[in-house]
Amino acid sequence: KQEVTQIPAALSVPEGENLVLNCSFTDSAIYNLQWFRQDPGKGLTSLLLIQSSQREQTSGRLNASLDKSSGRSTLYIAASQPGDSATYLCALSNDYKLSFGAGTTVTVRA
Amino acid sequence: NAGVTQTPKFQVLKTGQSMTLQCAQDMNHNSMYWYRQDPGMGLRLIYYSASEGTTDKGEVPNGYNVSRLNKREFSLRLESAAPSQTSVYFCASNGGGANYEQYFGPGTRLTVT
Repeated sequence: KQEVTQIPAALSVPEGENLVLNCSFTDSAIYNLQWFRQDPGKGLTSLLLIQSSQREQTSGRLNASLDKSSGRSTLYIAASQPGDSATYLCALSNDYKLSFGAGTTVTVRA
Repeated sequence: NAGVTQTPKFQVLKTGQSMTLQCAQDMNHNSMYWYRQDPGMGLRLIYYSASEGTTDKGEVPNGYNVSRLNKREFSLRLESAAPSQTSVYFCASNGGGANYEQYFGPGTRLTVT
């Protein structure tokens, strides 16, 4: 069974600082990895999808890396803004199904 | 293009009552999913439908049933609600297969008293 861990559970940084969010997993036989953003009381919004054959994916200020051999993915958010405050979840696909981490709640202080 | 829609947004049930959560997607996706989200536990898969006409159990299926009504719609039924089913329920869909991005609905907040 895939175990997905996100540490830390919460993070507070001043505006402008770069954010580094970690995701570790136990089973490297994955099809893809997705990073999601969730605002309080809302659904999940997909940020980035990394296929198993890829090492990283970039979108604007966001960059996600994938290292299957070490069972790790990292989401980098450059020059954080108060609008980046949210919970970030990683999820791994082993087949049709996603296994989720519990998330990291980020607060960016103005 | 509404994406994934869910009804209702909020619901309060008494123990033992039944209800059906509705989900629809307009992206012509093959696969649909039901998750529940509880504090500190992430999202857990309840049931999924890889394609129209098929359904399979996920990680936490006990106390739930599903129906894939057609390609667009996937409903989740609680036959006899219990306080342990108090949660936020999310429906999701993707194009079909492991390499596709999942899209989520806004969620249904269910409280069972």
